[in-house]
Amino acid sequence: EDQVTQSPEALRLQEGESSSLNCSYTVSGLRGLFWYRQDPGKGPEFLFTLYSAGEEKEKERLKATLTKKESFLHITAPKPEDSATYLCAVHLPYNNNDMRFGAGTRLTVKP
Amino acid sequence: NAGVTQTPKFQVLKTGQSMTLQCAQDMNHEYMSWYRQDPGMGLRLIHYSVGAGITDQGEVPNGYNVSRSTTEDFPLRLLSAAPSQTSVYFCASTQGLGEAFFGQGTRLTVV
Repeated sequence: EDQVTQSPEALRLQEGESSSLNCSYTVSGLRGLFWYRQDPGKGPEFLFTLYSAGEEKEKERLKATLTKKESFLHITAPKPEDSATYLCAVHLPYNNNDMRFGAGTRLTVKP
Repeated sequence: NAGVTQTPKFQVLKTGQSMTLQCAQDMNHEYMSWYRQDPGMGLRLIHYSVGAGITDQGEVPNGYNVSRSTTEDFPLRLLSAAPSQTSVYFCASTQGLGEAFFGQGTRLTVV
């Protein structure tokens, strides 16, 4: 069964304390892995797309990487405004544009 | 550019009532979808549409209907609301295998 699993469920960091979020997937024939940020009461907002193992994308303090089985979202020297839920999703290979989402990692950055 | 617009933002229904959640996009995207988001479960696909006049079921379609008469609009109908349909609902639109653009969500409570 196609699965997307994110860990940890929740992460509390001090401002400036770098860490990584994990997204593992069992979908074969990956057609794209996506990272989104979701603030409370809002819809998910797109961050990155990764298509092949070894690919990396960066945006400010965030860097996303991809292997054949998992993706990492690295957060370097986070600030309180980075506090949000981070969602990972993959395009399913057999069903048009259907995306399967992980449950998310809730990140809190304390000043 | 409004992107994806959902109405209403909040709704309380009694068990057995019906209602329609509205979704409109102004990006001329062919693919639109409806998700529900429940605590600890991530976003789950309810129904999707690959273009005007074409709809199909997602992962959790029971109790919901959709139609797509225009490229812009993709309403979701709850036929007879049940407490199990208490959730946050998100509409999204996508072009090709690109990222999904989400609306702000509708928080629905069924009592």
